[in-house]
Amino acid sequence: ETGVTQSPTHLIKTRGQQVTLRCSSQSGHNTVSWYQQALGQGPQFIFQYYREEENGRGNFPPRFSGLQFPNYSSELNVNALELDDSALYLCASSYALTGDTEAFFGQGTRLTVV
Amino acid sequence: LAKTTQPISMDSYEGQEVNITCSHNNIATNDYITWYQQFPSQGPRFIIQGYKTKVTNEVASLFIPADRKSSTLSLPRVSLSDTAVYYCLVAPYNDMRFGAGTRLTVKP
Repeated sequence: ETGVTQSPTHLIKTRGQQVTLRCSSQSGHNTVSWYQQALGQGPQFIFQYYREEENGRGNFPPRFSGLQFPNYSSELNVNALELDDSALYLCASSYALTGDTEAFFGQGTRLTVV
Repeated sequence: LAKTTQPISMDSYEGQEVNITCSHNNIATNDYITWYQQFPSQGPRFIIQGYKTKVTNEVASLFIPADRKSSTLSLPRVSLSDTAVYYCLVAPYNDMRFGAGTRLTVKP
């Protein structure tokens, strides 16, 4: 149990719809990163937030957006859903940006787009 | 960000020591090397992290040569429950970019 919780655990949406996924960081952590993991592949970095500011972004279109709140919880929003957006979405929290800190992952949200 | 290369898959038997090597030829001075383990439908789990030489914890050892262009994760006496995908990451900050990982299968 890492202390990072994601909701919902599973979700089915229709192509073209919008979805919001939520992540509650481990207590004391101020950095959160979001990943998309398609079946059989490694997690792909979407973006990272540090103290409510976006601090890096992977190769994802603008319809993937995020927020980090003052309590360091976070949301991932995806607009105009496409079939290829079906994946496991993971969030990871850590204390700081430095590479010598451990990141803790949630169990993920399984999104299916039909 | 340093690119990493690791074997796609490995097989082992219960009780054996498993060594998974990761190449990261263009590692930068301020990069750390971190290994994660992932089971199906779960988030990755931190195993071990190092900067140079050798690091050991209760589950694994990490060997890093002086040039830091590679690293080896060593899992002593694996069991069936160690069957998972293992990822090697190299990053200066917590901006982790995962590769495809190594799928380890432990057989009875």
